[in-house]
Amino acid sequence: DVKVTQSSRYLVKRTGEKVFLECVQDMDHENMFWYRQDPGLGLRLIYFSYDVKMKEKGDIPEGYSVSREKKERFSLILESASTNQTSMYLCASNVPGPEQYFGPGTRLTVT
Amino acid sequence: SQQGEEDPQALSIQEGENATMNCSYKTSINNLQWYRQNSGRGLVHLILIRSNEREKHSGRLRVTLDTSKKSSSLLITASRAADTASYFCATARYSTLTFGKGTMLLVSP
Repeated sequence: DVKVTQSSRYLVKRTGEKVFLECVQDMDHENMFWYRQDPGLGLRLIYFSYDVKMKEKGDIPEGYSVSREKKERFSLILESASTNQTSMYLCASNVPGPEQYFGPGTRLTVT
Repeated sequence: SQQGEEDPQALSIQEGENATMNCSYKTSINNLQWYRQNSGRGLVHLILIRSNEREKHSGRLRVTLDTSKKSSSLLITASRAADTASYFCATARYSTLTFGKGTMLLVSP
Protein backbone atom coordinates (compact mmCIF):
# COMPACT_ATOMS: atom_id res chain seq x y z
CA ASP A 1 0.00 0.00 0.00
CA VAL A 2 1.13 3.50 -0.78
CA LYS A 3 1.78 5.53 2.30
CA VAL A 4 1.95 9.32 2.40
CA THR A 5 2.69 10.79 5.79
CA GLN A 6 2.63 14.36 7.01
CA SER A 7 4.69 15.56 9.93
CA SER A 8 1.85 16.94 12.05
CA ARG A 9 -1.92 16.47 12.22
CA TYR A 10 -2.45 19.76 14.05
CA LEU A 11 -0.17 22.78 14.23
CA VAL A 12 -0.60 26.17 15.89
CA LYS A 13 1.78 28.97 14.95
CA ARG A 14 1.98 32.69 15.53
CA THR A 15 1.79 35.37 12.86
CA GLY A 16 5.22 36.02 11.36
CA GLU A 17 6.69 32.63 12.25
CA LYS A 18 8.40 30.49 9.62
CA VAL A 19 6.50 27.24 9.26
CA PHE A 20 7.64 23.97 7.73
CA LEU A 21 5.17 21.29 6.71
CA GLU A 22 6.79 17.99 5.81
CA CYS A 23 5.46 15.25 3.57
CA VAL A 24 7.04 11.85 2.97
CA GLN A 25 5.95 9.12 0.55
CA ASP A 26 7.30 5.59 0.56
CA MET A 27 6.52 4.44 -2.99
CA ASP A 28 9.25 6.10 -5.05
CA HIS A 29 6.72 8.40 -6.69
CA GLU A 30 8.00 11.02 -9.10
CA ASN A 31 5.33 13.66 -8.52
CA MET A 32 4.38 15.32 -5.26
CA PHE A 33 1.76 18.00 -4.60
CA TRP A 34 0.72 20.45 -1.91
CA TYR A 35 -2.90 21.60 -1.64
CA ARG A 36 -4.80 23.70 0.81
CA GLN A 37 -8.44 23.02 1.59
CA ASP A 38 -10.82 25.68 2.82
CA PRO A 39 -14.58 25.50 3.43
CA GLY A 40 -16.50 26.54 0.35
CA LEU A 41 -13.37 26.64 -1.81
CA GLY A 42 -12.45 22.99 -2.09
CA LEU A 43 -8.85 21.94 -2.72
CA ARG A 44 -6.49 24.35 -4.40
CA LEU A 45 -3.04 23.46 -5.69
CA ILE A 46 -0.20 25.45 -4.14
CA TYR A 47 2.91 23.84 -5.66
CA PHE A 48 3.93 20.58 -7.20
CA SER A 49 7.19 18.85 -8.01
CA TYR A 50 7.87 16.29 -10.74
CA ASP A 51 11.44 15.48 -9.73
CA VAL A 52 14.07 16.19 -7.11
CA LYS A 53 14.91 19.89 -6.96
CA MET A 54 12.17 20.66 -9.50
CA LYS A 55 9.09 22.66 -8.61
CA GLU A 56 6.16 24.23 -10.39
CA LYS A 57 3.69 26.82 -9.16
CA GLY A 58 0.10 25.80 -8.78
CA ASP A 59 -2.92 28.05 -8.61
CA ILE A 60 -2.13 29.84 -5.32
CA PRO A 61 1.66 29.91 -4.70
CA GLU A 62 1.79 33.36 -3.14
CA GLY A 63 3.14 33.30 0.41
CA TYR A 64 4.52 29.77 0.05
CA SER A 65 7.70 28.09 -1.10
CA VAL A 66 8.68 24.44 -1.39
CA SER A 67 11.73 22.25 -1.18
CA ARG A 68 12.42 18.82 -2.62
CA GLU A 69 15.94 17.69 -1.83
CA LYS A 70 15.10 13.98 -1.79
CA LYS A 71 12.64 12.09 -3.94
CA GLU A 72 10.53 10.89 -1.01
CA ARG A 73 10.23 14.23 0.79
CA PHE A 74 8.42 17.42 -0.22
CA SER A 75 8.33 20.35 2.17
CA LEU A 76 5.98 23.32 2.16
CA ILE A 77 7.36 26.49 3.72
CA LEU A 78 5.45 29.48 4.94
CA GLU A 79 8.16 32.13 5.16
CA SER A 80 6.12 34.44 7.40
CA ALA A 81 2.85 32.90 8.47
CA SER A 82 -0.27 35.01 8.30
CA THR A 83 -3.77 34.42 9.65
CA ASN A 84 -5.14 33.94 6.13
CA GLN A 85 -2.93 30.87 5.83
CA THR A 86 -4.97 29.10 8.50
CA SER A 87 -6.19 26.06 6.61
CA MET A 88 -6.02 22.31 6.11
CA TYR A 89 -2.91 21.39 4.11
CA LEU A 90 -2.90 18.18 2.12
CA CYS A 91 0.06 16.50 0.48
CA ALA A 92 -0.28 14.00 -2.35
CA SER A 93 1.93 11.98 -4.65
CA ASN A 94 1.69 9.90 -7.81
CA VAL A 95 3.83 7.88 -10.14
CA PRO A 96 3.09 9.88 -12.51
CA GLY A 97 -0.20 8.27 -13.25
CA PRO A 98 -3.61 9.76 -12.96
CA GLU A 99 -4.45 8.70 -9.42
CA GLN A 100 -3.07 10.75 -6.55
CA TYR A 101 -2.40 9.35 -3.07
CA PHE A 102 -3.06 11.70 -0.20
CA GLY A 103 -1.64 12.11 3.26
CA PRO A 104 -3.91 12.60 6.28
CA GLY A 105 -3.58 16.39 6.25
CA THR A 106 -2.20 19.03 8.60
CA ARG A 107 -4.63 21.46 10.14
CA LEU A 108 -2.66 24.68 10.60
CA THR A 109 -3.91 27.52 12.74
CA VAL A 110 -2.07 30.84 12.63
CA THR A 111 -2.91 33.17 15.51
CA SER B 1 -10.14 27.82 -14.18
CA GLN B 2 -11.34 24.37 -15.12
CA GLN B 3 -12.53 23.72 -11.58
CA GLY B 4 -15.34 21.23 -11.33
CA GLU B 5 -18.52 22.08 -9.52
CA GLU B 6 -20.39 19.38 -7.63
CA ASP B 7 -24.11 19.33 -7.19
CA PRO B 8 -25.73 19.11 -4.71
CA GLN B 9 -23.52 20.70 -2.04
CA ALA B 10 -25.09 18.42 0.56
CA LEU B 11 -27.19 15.26 0.38
CA SER B 12 -28.93 13.40 3.18
CA ILE B 13 -30.37 9.92 2.61
CA GLN B 14 -31.30 6.73 4.47
CA GLU B 15 -29.28 3.55 4.42
CA GLY B 16 -30.16 1.40 1.45
CA GLU B 17 -31.07 4.34 -0.79
CA ASN B 18 -29.03 5.39 -3.79
CA ALA B 19 -27.00 8.60 -3.81
CA THR B 20 -26.30 10.57 -6.97
CA MET B 21 -23.80 13.40 -7.19
CA ASN B 22 -23.08 15.49 -10.24
CA CYS B 23 -20.02 17.34 -11.42
CA SER B 24 -19.64 19.95 -14.14
CA TYR B 25 -16.39 21.30 -15.50
CA LYS B 26 -15.28 23.92 -18.00
CA THR B 27 -12.40 22.80 -20.21
CA SER B 28 -11.22 19.70 -22.04
CA ILE B 29 -9.88 16.89 -19.87
CA ASN B 30 -7.79 13.74 -20.08
CA ASN B 31 -9.81 11.99 -17.41
CA LEU B 32 -12.12 12.69 -14.52
CA GLN B 33 -11.71 11.16 -11.08
CA TRP B 34 -13.82 10.91 -7.96
CA TYR B 35 -12.37 11.02 -4.46
CA ARG B 36 -13.84 10.54 -1.01
CA GLN B 37 -12.83 12.36 2.14
CA ASN B 38 -13.88 11.25 5.58
CA SER B 39 -14.22 14.07 8.07
CA GLY B 40 -10.91 15.85 8.66
CA ARG B 41 -8.86 13.27 6.80
CA GLY B 42 -7.03 12.94 3.48
CA LEU B 43 -8.71 12.07 0.20
CA VAL B 44 -9.03 8.55 -1.12
CA HIS B 45 -9.28 7.78 -4.82
CA LEU B 46 -12.51 6.00 -5.78
CA ILE B 47 -12.73 5.72 -9.53
CA LEU B 48 -11.38 7.19 -12.75
CA ILE B 49 -13.11 7.58 -16.09
CA ARG B 50 -11.16 8.51 -19.20
CA SER B 51 -12.36 11.12 -21.66
CA ASN B 52 -13.18 8.46 -24.27
CA GLU B 53 -15.31 6.42 -21.85
CA ARG B 54 -18.97 7.00 -21.11
CA GLU B 55 -19.63 4.77 -18.12
CA LYS B 56 -17.62 2.85 -15.57
CA HIS B 57 -18.48 0.60 -12.64
CA SER B 58 -16.61 -0.37 -9.51
CA GLY B 59 -18.49 -2.32 -6.86
CA ARG B 60 -21.40 -0.12 -5.73
CA LEU B 61 -20.07 2.86 -7.69
CA ARG B 62 -21.18 3.87 -11.15
CA VAL B 63 -19.68 6.86 -12.92
CA THR B 64 -20.85 8.43 -16.15
CA LEU B 65 -19.15 11.04 -18.27
CA ASP B 66 -20.68 13.26 -20.91
CA THR B 67 -17.90 15.26 -22.54
CA SER B 68 -20.33 17.13 -24.79
CA LYS B 69 -22.03 18.54 -21.70
CA LYS B 70 -18.82 18.62 -19.67
CA SER B 71 -20.48 16.75 -16.85
CA SER B 72 -20.13 13.58 -14.82
CA SER B 73 -22.22 11.79 -12.24
CA LEU B 74 -21.34 9.43 -9.41
CA LEU B 75 -23.97 6.96 -8.27
CA ILE B 76 -23.53 5.04 -5.02
CA THR B 77 -26.04 2.22 -4.84
CA ALA B 78 -27.44 0.66 -1.64
CA SER B 79 -25.73 3.26 0.52
CA ARG B 80 -24.40 2.48 3.99
CA ALA B 81 -23.73 4.65 7.02
CA ALA B 82 -20.01 4.17 6.31
CA ASP B 83 -20.48 6.01 3.00
CA THR B 84 -20.96 9.23 4.98
CA ALA B 85 -18.20 11.51 3.68
CA SER B 86 -17.47 14.34 1.28
CA TYR B 87 -17.09 13.43 -2.37
CA PHE B 88 -15.01 15.41 -4.84
CA CYS B 89 -14.66 15.26 -8.57
CA ALA B 90 -11.28 16.13 -10.03
CA THR B 91 -10.49 16.85 -13.64
CA ALA B 92 -7.09 15.91 -14.99
CA ARG B 93 -5.24 17.83 -17.62
CA TYR B 94 -1.61 16.84 -18.09
CA SER B 95 -0.02 16.18 -14.70
CA THR B 96 -2.28 18.10 -12.33
CA LEU B 97 -5.78 17.73 -10.95
CA THR B 98 -8.34 20.45 -10.39
CA PHE B 99 -10.86 19.65 -7.69
CA GLY B 100 -14.42 20.74 -7.23
CA LYS B 101 -15.82 21.99 -3.94
CA GLY B 102 -17.38 18.68 -3.02
CA THR B 103 -20.69 17.13 -2.03
CA MET B 104 -21.25 16.24 1.63
CA LEU B 105 -23.15 12.97 1.86
CA LEU B 106 -24.88 11.93 5.08
CA VAL B 107 -26.26 8.41 5.22
CA SER B 108 -28.48 7.80 8.22
CA PRO B 109 -28.99 4.28 9.66
